[in-house]
This record gives sequence, C-alpha cells and structure tokens, in this order.
Amino acid sequence: GESVGLHLPTLSVQEGDNSIINCAYSNSASDYFIWYKQESGKGPQFIIDIRSNMDKRQGQRVTVLLNKTVKHLSLQIAATQPGDSAVYFCAVRDRGSTLGRLYFGRGTQLTVWP
Amino acid sequence: DADVTQTPRNRITKTGKRIMLECSQTKGHDRMYWYRQDPGLGLRLIYYSFDVKDINKGEISDGYSVSRQAQAKFSLSLESAIPNQTALYFCATSDPTGGGTYNEQFFGPGTRLTVL
Repeated sequence: GESVGLHLPTLSVQEGDNSIINCAYSNSASDYFIWYKQESGKGPQFIIDIRSNMDKRQGQRVTVLLNKTVKHLSLQIAATQPGDSAVYFCAVRDRGSTLGRLYFGRGTQLTVWP
Repeated sequence: DADVTQTPRNRITKTGKRIMLECSQTKGHDRMYWYRQDPGLGLRLIYYSFDVKDINKGEISDGYSVSRQAQAKFSLSLESAIPNQTALYFCATSDPTGGGTYNEQFFGPGTRLTVL
C-alpha cells in the first residue's frame, strides 16, 4: 500500500510570488507521481507528472521535483496568478500495483491574494 | 473535463433510499474508477474497472456497488443510503496504453450527494 501526505493543508501567497507545495509518500517502490489541480466545483485536472527515473520536470510555469531518498515530491508554481487558486493534490503510483492504482494526498488549498 | 460526464451533478436523498450515480466517457478508455472525496481526506477509491468484464473493490467499497454496462458507462449505486455517505463523488478514466502521460486519470465534474 501507500500513504501520501501533504505538509500544509493551506498556503497563501501574493500574486507574482512563487509557490511551493510539498508532498511526502511512504512506499519506496512508488514509480510514478502526478500533481492535480482542483478548482471549486470541478473535478481534479492533471498539471504535471514525473517518473521515478527523473528528479525534475518542467512545464509551463510549473516544476515538479522528486527526491526519492527522502520520498518527497514538490510542485513549484512560478509567478503565481489568481487563477492558480485551487486545491492541489499529489498522487502516487505503486510499482508493485499491477493495476496501476493511484494513491492521493489530502490536498493543499492555495490562495493567491493581490 | 467534458469527455467524462456525471449525472446527476447534485442529489439530496433520504436515509434508506437507493441511489444510482452515472458516469459516461467519450475518451474510449478501458479503465474507469469511482472515488469519494470528503473535506480534508483527499480522494478515496471505491471501485474500479479495467474492462467491461472486470470489477474490483477499492479501499472503501462497503455500502456501494457498481455496474459496468459498457466500455463508456460505469455506474455507482448506494443500495441503502446513509448520512455518512454524504460526500462528493468523482468518476475517472485512464488509458495507460494510449498516447500521452503514463497512467494519468481524467476526472468528471463530480456529483455532490447529500443523505439526510
């Protein structure tokens, strides 16, 4: 199995600042990691993913960092905008899971203020 | 994601009633999932199906049942609803053999269920 936790349930940042959301996982056999964004009244939407053979992956204004030594995952959002306000979830897949099941963290509520 | 639809979007019912939540997808994915979301608890897996003939229990399947009527349709039933089943329910699909990201799941808009 897998236990996935987030370090902070809420995060408030000023518009234009960088945001960092952290996630910890328990199973060293985990091989795939995803960050989802959930806006109010909507389902989670994919942001970025990373496989265990990588340490860093960049997208548009977002970067995911993976530290397998301490089983830690982070999402960095550059120049945070009001539209980034949402709940962010990390999800982890166990390599041992033949069915590709994802385990989700509890979510961090990101609030961007002007 | 408009490719995954859920009906109804909101439902209020009474204890003991039978409720069915429906999910349809036009993505052509074989894998479908039902999750429950409660405040502060993230997403928890209720049931999942990897093809029409395959149904598997997730971590919180008690009190729920599912039916995979076709590749595109996956329904969740509460045979006798109880108040602690009040939650936000999400359907999701995935296709790890297709193009795009590896094992990404695509979520529907959710159904908010209240059991009085």
